[in-house]
Amino acid sequence: DAGITQSPRHKVTETGTPVTLRCHQTENHRYMYWYRQDPGHGLRLIHYSYGVKDTDKGEVSDGYSVSRSKTEDFLLTLESATSSQTSVYFCAISESQGAWGYTFGSGTRLTVV
Amino acid sequence: DAKTTQPPSMDCAEGRAANLPCNHSTISGNEYVYWYRQIHSQGPQYIIHGLKNNETNEMASLIITEDRKSSTLILPHATLRDTAVYYCIVRPYNTDKLIFGTGTRLQVFP
Repeated sequence: DAGITQSPRHKVTETGTPVTLRCHQTENHRYMYWYRQDPGHGLRLIHYSYGVKDTDKGEVSDGYSVSRSKTEDFLLTLESATSSQTSVYFCAISESQGAWGYTFGSGTRLTVV
Repeated sequence: DAKTTQPPSMDCAEGRAANLPCNHSTISGNEYVYWYRQIHSQGPQYIIHGLKNNETNEMASLIITEDRKSSTLILPHATLRDTAVYYCIVRPYNTDKLIFGTGTRLQVFP
């Protein structure tokens, strides 16, 4: 998607290892979000940010941490990956709080073995 | 948060109108109805939103009942590229978070 890039696109990691996923935007949008998507659950919000160094928890935040040291980057960290964190992770950005304005990235497929 | 109910799946013939229903009987006065869709393994895409009036854009039309307890997303001439999962979401306009349900999987067939 234009203006938002997720990296890596695919990753396989071992249980217990730390993993960091990166979301990078070139739109200078204030709001950034991390979702995970699993079969039967739709998209679930993990964490979100409403500005540099301002973050908050979503509905499934346990086992995840985030950081936003500059506007363009929002990092999602799994401190010690578990098999239950195998999922597709989507980042989204929004200029304002209006829900019509979300733009999603292409996703990161993470497999924890 | 208001809960939405959508059928898990629907079929539609190519070229015909696809009418996707959504029930949101607990919606409150300041909550909007939003529709997003997700085409296979891509990130969700915004389609349309409304408060109480019917809305139309280049992608779709949104019909909201007078009591606002349900709505219908209409794709007037469905194509194979419209095959996707469609999410109906009810939220206040200015809110920090967008919460997705499990959506309706629309299959458009030739």
